[in-house]
Amino acid sequence: QSALTQPPSASGSRGQSVTISCTGTSSDVGGYNYVSWYQQHPGKAPKLIISEVNKRPSGVPDRFSGSKSGNTASLTVSGLQAEDEADYHCSSYAGSNNVIFGGGTKLTVL
Amino acid sequence: QVQLQQSGPGLVKPSDTLSLICSVSGGATTTSIYYWGWVRQPPGKGLEWIGSIYYSGTTHYNPSLKSRVTISVDTSKNELSVRLRSVTAADTAVYYCARGDNILTGYFQWGQGTQVTVSS
Repeated sequence: QSALTQPPSASGSRGQSVTISCTGTSSDVGGYNYVSWYQQHPGKAPKLIISEVNKRPSGVPDRFSGSKSGNTASLTVSGLQAEDEADYHCSSYAGSNNVIFGGGTKLTVL
Repeated sequence: QVQLQQSGPGLVKPSDTLSLICSVSGGATTTSIYYWGWVRQPPGKGLEWIGSIYYSGTTHYNPSLKSRVTISVDTSKNELSVRLRSVTAADTAVYYCARGDNILTGYFQWGQGTQVTVSS
């Protein structure tokens, strides 16, 4: 199985919006509505910010939103803030009791 | 408040077995419910799912690691453990334990992480 494909980096200015993509196949992202997104600050454990493509766990700001089209899932961060600068990882259920992650995207807030 | 506290050696020799424990505390019937997993992150790279275990004892493993990994839970001690056999330098990573509702919806709570280096 191959990891999901994410751009290595993304950037946006404070207050703007940025979208990070996560591309898989019909066997994972495209086949199930079970894409999760995690935010990870340097030296810290990941934090779940999106589940089931577009559901935000309690306490996650509504500036974070998720979507999916075909084999590609996307995370959009609106109204960028300095504290949003972090690594973002996507994951997807891949069938047969298997989970795969993406390579991660480093988001820089300019 | 459920807390996940990881422990285990930070240095493992090549061909040896990596063993880590995740102690779960707080709340009633901690490891007896939920879905528990291990995820690792090699230096400078993305996350990699190692595998998971339901409170019932059912395990699921990453196919690429399945032949070398064992995940178990001791409900009497509220401990989750992972053992990875025949390690090489490629297994050097930060290892995390994590908690979720099931295999589908992600892990909503994570341990602090344990840096494990494989080196002689």
